[in-house]
Amino acid sequence: GIQVEQSPPDLILQEGANSTLRCNFSDSVNNLQWFHQNPWGQLINLFYIPSGTKQNGRLSATTVATERYSLLYISSSQTTDSGVYFCAVDNYGQNFVFGPGTRLSVLP
Amino acid sequence: DAGVIQSPRHEVTEMGQEVTLRCKPISGHNSLFWYRQTMMRGLELLIYFNNNVPIDDSGMPEDRFSAKMPNASFSTLKIQPSEPRDSAVYFCASTPGQMNTEAFFGQGTRLTVV
Repeated sequence: GIQVEQSPPDLILQEGANSTLRCNFSDSVNNLQWFHQNPWGQLINLFYIPSGTKQNGRLSATTVATERYSLLYISSSQTTDSGVYFCAVDNYGQNFVFGPGTRLSVLP
Repeated sequence: DAGVIQSPRHEVTEMGQEVTLRCKPISGHNSLFWYRQTMMRGLELLIYFNNNVPIDDSGMPEDRFSAKMPNASFSTLKIQPSEPRDSAVYFCASTPGQMNTEAFFGQGTRLTVV
């Protein structure tokens, strides 16, 4: 089945810093999503981005489907950005697979 | 829409007991997924339904687990008998359909089997 990798596994930032999270996948996909799991365990949709670039406030994402990767950018990080960021891909309806996540800690 | 609704939010049960987790997908969504999250294995897909029909249950760990979707607005995940290793957070998610597969997750059920 399709493999999803995320890097880095852990990231510690000072408040106000910028960061880039990466997601690599092993096969072509028709859906890619980024989620934020907050400290209460809730999975929050950030982006539905099978290709191209999207922006939402301080967050933006880019997926280059032909090269099988996606990037999530966080600018001017805040302590509320802390949590785990997951990338998940849909391999044309065969499965919806999550990566292992990037654990982000933003320090005040 | 209130989003995907799961119940209960927390469940503590004794080993050997039957546990039933419930999910109400977003109205109009055609696909429903059950996931399990543990520290060791991350988020694993257990089963998914399309138009109320189970499509892939290869992630269901063993015969103690069963899932049903009797109609478009309700699904259950049952564990009988439960074991301590079943302790995890169980998530339900739904997507609109084949042309739009953006998934929306419920808040999860934290299951503890003692």
